[in-house]
Amino acid sequence: GQSLEQPSEVTAVEGAIVQINCTYQTSGFYGLSWYQQHDGGAPTFLSYNGLDGLEETGRFSSFLSRSDSYGYLLLQELQMKDSASYFCALKGNLGNTPLVFGKGTRLSVIA
Amino acid sequence: DVKVTQSSRYLVKRTGEKVFLECVQDMDHENMFWYRQDPGLGLRLIYFSYDVKMKEKGDIPEGYSVSREKKERFSLILESASTNQTSMYLCASSPRQGMGDTQYFGPGTRLTVL
Repeated sequence: GQSLEQPSEVTAVEGAIVQINCTYQTSGFYGLSWYQQHDGGAPTFLSYNGLDGLEETGRFSSFLSRSDSYGYLLLQELQMKDSASYFCALKGNLGNTPLVFGKGTRLSVIA
Repeated sequence: DVKVTQSSRYLVKRTGEKVFLECVQDMDHENMFWYRQDPGLGLRLIYFSYDVKMKEKGDIPEGYSVSREKKERFSLILESASTNQTSMYLCASSPRQGMGDTQYFGPGTRLTVL
């Protein structure tokens, strides 16, 4: 099976940089994804890392290290609207299994 | 624009009632999923389907059933609602191909069982 661990809460200051970590255990997977969910909203896809290294999309970057079973989401130039929950997720490559999500990290951006 | 819709945003039912939650996607996706979301527990998979008339149990299928008679529609059924099924229910879909399995979520249905 697969399991993912991420911090339950993170607080950061507007304009700063924050890193949300995700460690995982798996017997094999295709890649690590990140989703954002605002209060009362639906989760939306942010990024996907199929290979080790950094993927950058605007202010957001995501990183994967398969050797360390670790990934992170990096948010730069934080804005108040970035306050949301962030979920990491991975898809196993043994059989046709669905995404497995972490429990989510609630990010609070403060002034 | 990708769209997943759910039949209700808010629903209040009584214990013992049969409850139907409907989900429709217009992206011709093969895969569809039902999750429930509770504070501190993240997204928990109830059932999923990779094709019409197919269904697979997720992590917490007890007390639920599903129906997928058409590709675009995936229904979640609570045969006899109980108070511990009060939750946010999220439907999602994804295309068959794609190792990342990017999922597109509906807006959710907040179900309260009294």
